[in-house]
Amino acid sequence: GAVVSQHPSRVICKSGTSVKIECRSLDFQATTMFWYRQFPKQSLMLMATSNEGSKATYEQGVEKDKFLINHASLTLSTLTVTSAHPEDSSFYICSARGGNQPQHFGDGTRLSIL
Amino acid sequence: GESVGLHLPTLSVQEGDNSIINCAYSNSASDYFIWYKQESGKGPQFIIDIRSNMDKRQGQRVTVLLNKTVKHLSLQIAATQPGDSAVYFCAERMDSSYKLIFGSGTRLLVRP
Repeated sequence: GAVVSQHPSRVICKSGTSVKIECRSLDFQATTMFWYRQFPKQSLMLMATSNEGSKATYEQGVEKDKFLINHASLTLSTLTVTSAHPEDSSFYICSARGGNQPQHFGDGTRLSIL
Repeated sequence: GESVGLHLPTLSVQEGDNSIINCAYSNSASDYFIWYKQESGKGPQFIIDIRSNMDKRQGQRVTVLLNKTVKHLSLQIAATQPGDSAVYFCAERMDSSYKLIFGSGTRLLVRP
């Protein structure tokens, strides 16, 4: 069964809306969570690394004020896309790891901004 | 709008045949490699991994080969089944941060 749960699976909203995506590890403590973005027919691009209780580390070119990440507990990280615009439409995927677990991925969130 | 998508390389195989998917990785210092399978609309699913001190590892119907000399990784799937149709990505871990860098992916199509 799924070890990482991501919610919601699909979001359609108007331009200017802020959208929150949740990522939960279900049966292990995730000391580190990662957020990726994937455009159609492309690979996963790492956006940021999130360690529990500390600030996220963003990859070059990713705006931290645009993509707010919170990792307040060992089982939950959230990504908030602030004031989303059509160019933010994409497939957002989280992953989590901890202890001896390899990285497990959620099933992604399809974000569509009208 | 979104960037124009690249066309993924596609491997088409007959059901029951063996499949070999290749990947070139970028960093000679990478110490850990993983193959993932991604079905449409889903997140990547772990298939098999290998550490840099090994050159071969076998799982159920899958084998990963690592050639560090030429920075090449391959995934072999035995007796390919329709359910194996998906996009396959290799990923390398480049440092102790556990960050993974993904390859560009290969689409596997299994003909019945």
